[in-house]
Amino acid sequence: GQNIDQPTEMTATEGAIVQINCTYQTSGFNGLFWYQQHAGEAPTFLSYNVLDGLEEKGRFSSFLSRSKGYSYLLLKELQMKDSASYLCAVQDSNYQLIWGAGTKLIIKP
Amino acid sequence: NAGVTQTPKFRVLKTGQSMTLLCAQDMNHEYMYWYRQDPGMGLRLIHYSVGEGTTAKGEVPDGYNVSRLKKQNFLLGLESAAPSQTSVYFCASSPIAGGPGELFFGEGSRLTVL
Repeated sequence: GQNIDQPTEMTATEGAIVQINCTYQTSGFNGLFWYQQHAGEAPTFLSYNVLDGLEEKGRFSSFLSRSKGYSYLLLKELQMKDSASYLCAVQDSNYQLIWGAGTKLIIKP
Repeated sequence: NAGVTQTPKFRVLKTGQSMTLLCAQDMNHEYMYWYRQDPGMGLRLIHYSVGEGTTAKGEVPDGYNVSRLKKQNFLLGLESAAPSQTSVYFCASSPIAGGPGELFFGEGSRLTVL
């Protein structure tokens, strides 16, 4: 079967750095997405990785290792507004998105 | 910019009732999707469309029907609602399928079936 694993919840301090991991087992791989979802709102796109390595976008970076079936989202200089759920999704061989259950990130002052 | 708009935002149904959720997008996207989101689970694809007049089943299509008569609209119907269909429903659209094509989501429709 296809599976995406993420921690259910994480807590971090304002101004700090946090790394949210995602491991996957899917039928093929055609890219990995990270989305941010604030409570009661729609998911919004953060990043896309299809090749191994690190993609940096401002305070957010996303890393991919296809051989390990592993990705992480790195958030730097955490702000209170970063409190949200972070969704990992993998595009399989049929270009269907398989979604993880999301990681709820709680930022404390 | 409207983007993707869903109506209604909230609805309470009794078991056996029917209803339709409307999704409208103004970005001229070919691809549209209906997902449901339940606590502790990832988004699950109900149905999708790759263009006007086309629809296809996703991961959890049972109990739902869809139509895409116009490119900008994607309707999700529940013919006989069941408590198991209590969920938050998200519509999404994308300009391309596959690759880096990000999904643009509507604000969600929260449905409760009693």
